Amino acid sequence: GQQLNQSPQSMFIQEGEDVSMNCTSSSIFNTWLWYKQDPGEGPVLLIALYKAGELTSNGRLTAQFGITRKDSFLNISASIPSDVGIYFCAGHSGGSNYKLTFGKGTLLTVNP
Amino acid sequence: NAGVTQTPKFQVLKTGQSMTLQCAQDMNHEYMSWYRQDPGMGLRLIHYSVGAGITDQGEVPNGYNVSRSTTEDFPLRLLSAAPSQTSVYFCASSYGWETGNTIYFGEGSWLTVV
Repeated sequence: GQQLNQSPQSMFIQEGEDVSMNCTSSSIFNTWLWYKQDPGEGPVLLIALYKAGELTSNGRLTAQFGITRKDSFLNISASIPSDVGIYFCAGHSGGSNYKLTFGKGTLLTVNP
Repeated sequence: NAGVTQTPKFQVLKTGQSMTLQCAQDMNHEYMSWYRQDPGMGLRLIHYSVGAGITDQGEVPNGYNVSRSTTEDFPLRLLSAAPSQTSVYFCASSYGWETGNTIYFGEGSWLTVV
């Protein structure tokens, strides 16, 4: 099946620092999604990307859909303590099967 | 997590017991799915449905059954629970894959099989 490699597995940063994480795939995706999960909660969508090369921002978050359609990255600028959580990338290969493939997540810890 | 309701939030089962995790959405979404989340594994698709009366297997379907008799409900059944099914389960729904639509997740059901 399709594989998503998400890195890094975890990050420990100081408040105010910028953060970057990425996902690479063994196959092409038509949609890339980035989710954040807080402890005890379900994942919440941060950014959705639908076209190769697309660069989209949501406040301090910026994500890009790689030109090869096999990768995506998420940047968080000027991190704050509430950015703590697990960030997941997810990809969809297209068609009507509605199946999402998830990365294993990046655990972000922000030190105030 | 708006509109997707999962119950129960927590459950402890003995090996061999059966139970049903309930999922309901009030957004008239066509697509519903069940994922399990295990440490270091991300979310893995168990079963999904693209509409009432239609279900299909995901990545890890063994040990689970689903049905979709209505648009709103998509229960997940464990017929004979095993310790390997100890996990956090998430139900999700979506209207479709057109640009602008998204998948909404429930708040999760924590299941422990002893």
